[in-house]
Amino acid sequence: LAKTTQPISMDSYEGQEVNITCSHNNIATNDYITWYQQFPSQGPRFIIQGYKTKVTNEVASLFIPADRKSSTLSLPRVSLSDTAVYYCLVGDGRSNSGYALNFGKGTSLLVTP
Amino acid sequence: NAGVTQTPKFRVLKTGQSMTLLCAQDMNHEYMYWYRQDPGMGLRLIHYSVGEGTTAKGEVPDGYNVSRLKKQNFLLGLESAAPSQTSVYFCASSYARGARETQYFGPGTRLLVL
Repeated sequence: LAKTTQPISMDSYEGQEVNITCSHNNIATNDYITWYQQFPSQGPRFIIQGYKTKVTNEVASLFIPADRKSSTLSLPRVSLSDTAVYYCLVGDGRSNSGYALNFGKGTSLLVTP
Repeated sequence: NAGVTQTPKFRVLKTGQSMTLLCAQDMNHEYMYWYRQDPGMGLRLIHYSVGEGTTAKGEVPDGYNVSRLKKQNFLLGLESAAPSQTSVYFCASSYARGARETQYFGPGTRLLVL
């Protein structure tokens, strides 16, 4: 799985847009970019996945530039309940080492009033 | 659908004791996984299963055993617990393997070994 680098922590106020950038310089051609969210005392849950350009769902948007060496998770108008750890994962569906998801340490987002 | 459930939610063991953690999923997934998460660290894969009756070692398998006798259940056993096994244990399942496949996680089991 490709190595990823993301900020250890971020702070935001309620109502602001939060952008978390993940660097993955050695991303492979077949790799997809996936983000998971983990609330305190819960297991991670899938948020969004993309390959290139932009993906949007009801929770977040994912922006991927043409060179795919980085990606940005965008959370619109965050609320206190968005306080969580966000993990960026890069990998494909055909890798023989694809059984484990390499979560790394993630980005701890704290949203305050 | 309950998704992925884990029992127990919390357990305290003394060094040398044994216990079994149960994971159950109702999504008919072939793949199941056991991870551990330690403070300030990501999740590390302990063991996984690609189908009923099969298991394989992950990144940190020492001190643990697993069994997948039924498709919906994946058991994690600690034969002789050690303080280093104090952690939060997460079970997950997926329809297929690979980073493209969404893994669905249980709520976790918090284990304290004294």
